[in-house]
Amino acid sequence: GAVVSQHPSRVICKSGTSVKIECRSLDFQATTMFWYRQFPKKSLMLMATSNEGSKATYEQGVEKDKFLINHASLTLSTLTVTSAHPEDSSFYICSARDLEQGALTNYGYTFGSGTRLTVV
Amino acid sequence: AQSVTQPDIHITVSEGASLELRCNYSYGATPYLFWYVQSPGQGLQLLLKYFSGDTLVQGIKGFEAEFKRSQSSFNLRKPSVHWSDAAEYFCAVGPPGGNKLTFGTGTQLKVEL
Repeated sequence: GAVVSQHPSRVICKSGTSVKIECRSLDFQATTMFWYRQFPKKSLMLMATSNEGSKATYEQGVEKDKFLINHASLTLSTLTVTSAHPEDSSFYICSARDLEQGALTNYGYTFGSGTRLTVV
Repeated sequence: AQSVTQPDIHITVSEGASLELRCNYSYGATPYLFWYVQSPGQGLQLLLKYFSGDTLVQGIKGFEAEFKRSQSSFNLRKPSVHWSDAAEYFCAVGPPGGNKLTFGTGTQLKVEL
């Protein structure tokens, strides 16, 4: 079945530095990937929709300059948390749509295993 | 705007007992409905989904869910829980013709042996 690999699984960084998280579709091509943020005891909040070869679409309230998303190929999307602060500490999850799942509206998504970011 | 409510934050059941996890949604029409499971350190795995048709949906791992339009609910059930079912369960909705999922806050399931 479709597999999405997310790396790293855990990262600790110092306040003020930048961190890059990778989301790769291993055995399928993904024109669309989604980035979510999960707070403790909270649901997954969609941050942005990443489309291959074009600019990401950010949800309301998500800082574009803070959370840089690049989707340069059909198998890789990256989320860079710039100038990280402790309040950016969270669990970040990506999901990707397998083209073979049919229309985007079929919601045929595969999720990565997430990245636990801790900013100290 | 669509929203999802999972009233139970934590549920504990004994192995072999039946399980029902509640999910209520708010949406102008009938959305697409989903249940996902997340094991510690893992991504979300789709258990089942409802788009239309038969309101009782069968999923993987012996789970089923029933869509009740009158109650705006999509509760997840399993007749006999196994210890390996301990995980976090998320209900989600998505608009037909759209592509964005809205998740509930999740229910943490603990299974006592």
